[in-house]
Amino acid sequence: GQSLEQPSEVTAVEGAIVQINCTYQTSGFYGLSWYQQHDGGAPTFLSYNALDGLEETGRFSSFLSRSDSYGYLLLQELQMKDSASYFCAVHGYNFNKFYFGSGTKLNVKP
Amino acid sequence: DARVTQTPRDKVTEMGQEVTMRCQPILGHNTVFWYRQTMMQGLELLAYFRNRAPLDDSGMPKDRFSAEMPDATLATLKIQPSEPRDSAVYFCASGAGSGGSYNEQFFGPGTRLTVL
Repeated sequence: GQSLEQPSEVTAVEGAIVQINCTYQTSGFYGLSWYQQHDGGAPTFLSYNALDGLEETGRFSSFLSRSDSYGYLLLQELQMKDSASYFCAVHGYNFNKFYFGSGTKLNVKP
Repeated sequence: DARVTQTPRDKVTEMGQEVTMRCQPILGHNTVFWYRQTMMQGLELLAYFRNRAPLDDSGMPKDRFSAEMPDATLATLKIQPSEPRDSAVYFCASGAGSGGSYNEQFFGPGTRLTVL
């Protein structure tokens, strides 16, 4: 089966850097992706890792280590608008299976 | 700009009634996903279509839920009969997917369903 673990809540101040971790136990895993969801809104895609290493997209970076069954999302230069929930998700080959973590609520304070 | 649309945005119904939710994927996208989101269970994948064919619906309660794509511009999720435990936000997402390669999913605004 699939199991993903994320911290339930993280608080950081504006301008800081925050890392949201995701550990998984899954079979047939093919890739790790990250989504952002503001309260009352829909999830939006942030980043994807199919291979080990770091992927950078502007202020957001995502990292994957398959050997450690671990990934993280790194948010730099935090802004108030980054306050949202962040979900990691894994999928099988051909996307026949797609599982989301329970989400991490990020609170950015002034 | 292109986006996924869902109707209705809000639905309140009584237990036992039939509920139909509709989704229009982004033009040209060939994959469609249906998700359910609740506070307790988080985001759960209910069904997945590629090129209108259902590839996976193992996450969907078969006795009362059904998902179809009558054509490339319309996906439907039906609950019959509805129960209070079905109360959730139902998201549709589409993507330009092909086997073995990742393409981001674009989510619609969701349908908030309340079953009394």
